[in-house]
Amino acid sequence: GAVVSQHPSWVICKSGTSVKIECRSLDFQATTMFWYRQFPKQSLMLMATSNEGSKATYEQGVEKDKFLINHASLTLSTLTVTSAHPEDSSFYICSARDRVLTDTQYFGPGTRLTVL
Amino acid sequence: AQRVTQPEKLLSVFKGAPVELKCNYSYSGSPELFWYVQYSRQRLQLLLRHISRESIKGFTADLNKGETSFHLKKPFAQEEDSAMYYCALRTGGGNKLTFGTGTQLKVEL
Repeated sequence: GAVVSQHPSWVICKSGTSVKIECRSLDFQATTMFWYRQFPKQSLMLMATSNEGSKATYEQGVEKDKFLINHASLTLSTLTVTSAHPEDSSFYICSARDRVLTDTQYFGPGTRLTVL
Repeated sequence: AQRVTQPEKLLSVFKGAPVELKCNYSYSGSPELFWYVQYSRQRLQLLLRHISRESIKGFTADLNKGETSFHLKKPFAQEEDSAMYYCALRTGGGNKLTFGTGTQLKVEL
């Protein structure tokens, strides 16, 4: 089946630094990828929708200058958390919608970000 | 605005007992409902969707528009069913998903 990978799986960084998280669709092309955030014991909250070749669409309350999204190809989207602070510590999950099977969305394993 | 409610954070049942995970939604348009499952240390994966009207791993879910519900059911729980279950609502035709808070199902021997 279709696989979505994320790199890194976990990262620890100092406050004020920027962190980039990659989301890749390994055996299918994804025109649309989604970025979620999940706090402990809470649900997934959609942060933004990433469309290949165009600007991302951010959900209300999500700072686009804080969470930079780039969808440079049909298999790669990146999320950069800029000037990270401890409150940005969370589990970040991406998903990708199959270009052909547009009704199907596949999830990555997630990236645990800890900001000290 | 759309909303998905899963009232139970934890549901514990014995093996062989029936299971029902509750999900209610709020949406003014025509809803598309899904159940996702996350087994321990694994990624989120699609379990079933209401339009398919299929049974996956013995689970079924029927969309009840009158009660705005999409409860997940299985007649006989198995130990391997223990997992986190999320109900999700898709809106706008763009694959945007709104998730419920999830229910942890624990099947005990």
